[in-house]
Amino acid sequence: KQEVTQIPAALSVPEGENLVLNCSFTDSAIYNLQWFRQDPGKGLTSLLLIQSSQREQTSGRLNASLDKSSGRSTLYIAASQPGDSATYLCAVANAGGTSYGKLTFGQGTILTVHP
Amino acid sequence: DADVTQTPRNRITKTGKRIMLECSQTKGHDRMYWYRQDPGLGLRLIYYSFDVKDINKGEISDGYSVSRQAQAKFSLSLESAIPNQTALYFCATRLGFPNYGYTFGSGTRLTVV
Repeated sequence: KQEVTQIPAALSVPEGENLVLNCSFTDSAIYNLQWFRQDPGKGLTSLLLIQSSQREQTSGRLNASLDKSSGRSTLYIAASQPGDSATYLCAVANAGGTSYGKLTFGQGTILTVHP
Repeated sequence: DADVTQTPRNRITKTGKRIMLECSQTKGHDRMYWYRQDPGLGLRLIYYSFDVKDINKGEISDGYSVSRQAQAKFSLSLESAIPNQTALYFCATRLGFPNYGYTFGSGTRLTVV
């Protein structure tokens, strides 16, 4: 059974810092990995989608990497801003067995960027 | 308009009542999903549908039922609501190709009292 772990559970940084959020998964049989942002009580906004054959994806100040063989992904946020404060969720789309195509989510990292 | 629209946004209901949450999408995706989110438990899959005639149970389907009325509409029903079904419910869609990502709705916050 796929398990996804995100570290740290919470992170508080001053504005302007570069930061890294970590995601690990136990089964490397995945189609892709998706990073989401969730504001309190709100929906999930997709930030980046990395296919299993890709090493990284970039969007603005965000860069996500994927090392499928080691079961790891990182989300790098450059020059953090207070508006980046949110919960960041990592999810993998499983390729194997009865979990075909289904998403498995991590518990999330709660990010606070203070002015 | 949002690509994936959920109604209602918020709902308070009493124990034992039947309630329906609705989801509609304009993305033309064939696959639709219902998740619930609980603090400390993350997002868990309730039901999913690959097309109008293909509906499947997820991890936590007990106490729930679904209906895929059309390719664009997927509703979730709680037959007899109970307090531990209080949660944030999300609908999601995806194209039926593995390398496509998911699109989520804004969620329905359901409180059962």
